[in-house]
Amino acid sequence: GAVVSQHPSRVICKSGTSVKIECRSLDFQATTMFWYRQFPKQSLMLMATSNEGSKATYEQGVEKDKFLINHASLTLSTLTVTSAHPEDSSFYICSAVTVTEAFFGQGTRLTVV
Amino acid sequence: QKEVEQDPGPLSVPEGAIVSLNCTYSNSAFQYFMWYRQYSRKGPELLMYTYSSGNKEDGRFTAQVDKSSKYISLFIRDSQPSDSATYLCALSGGSYIPTFGRGTSLIVHP
Repeated sequence: GAVVSQHPSRVICKSGTSVKIECRSLDFQATTMFWYRQFPKQSLMLMATSNEGSKATYEQGVEKDKFLINHASLTLSTLTVTSAHPEDSSFYICSAVTVTEAFFGQGTRLTVV
Repeated sequence: QKEVEQDPGPLSVPEGAIVSLNCTYSNSAFQYFMWYRQYSRKGPELLMYTYSSGNKEDGRFTAQVDKSSKYISLFIRDSQPSDSATYLCALSGGSYIPTFGRGTSLIVHP
């Protein structure tokens, strides 16, 4: 099946710094990728839809200036958490879709100290 | 009312038991029905995918969809400790942006 690679799997950063998370589709081209956030024992909450070559579409309540998304190629989308704060600590997951299925990255555990 | 309701559990069963996991939904526009398995601190992986009412079987897993009742189920036969994980249902309409259930934590003890 299709593979989506997400990196890094874990990151610890200091409050006020920025963190970049990469999401790659390894064996297919993804014009659209999705970024989710998941709190412990909670479901995946869609943050934004990343579109290759255009601006991302953010869900209501998600700060676009804080969560910068770049989708520069058909196989790579990045999420940058800017000026991170402890409340940004969470599990971030990317997803890429084919015509009929969604495939997920391994997730990134972000801890802001 | 949430679009997708799923009991978070935890559901604890002995090894070898038949497990039944369920979701209900309210949006009749949902056309695609998926079940994902998520191990702790990992991304979800697709287990089953269907788009019609009825049953779909894959090994020990059976997905069941009842569109008239807006109810979907995942059955696991001969459950194993390695099946211990969180199981999320996901539903989508034509645009294919899935709406996830909260996930049910399953514990299979030896």
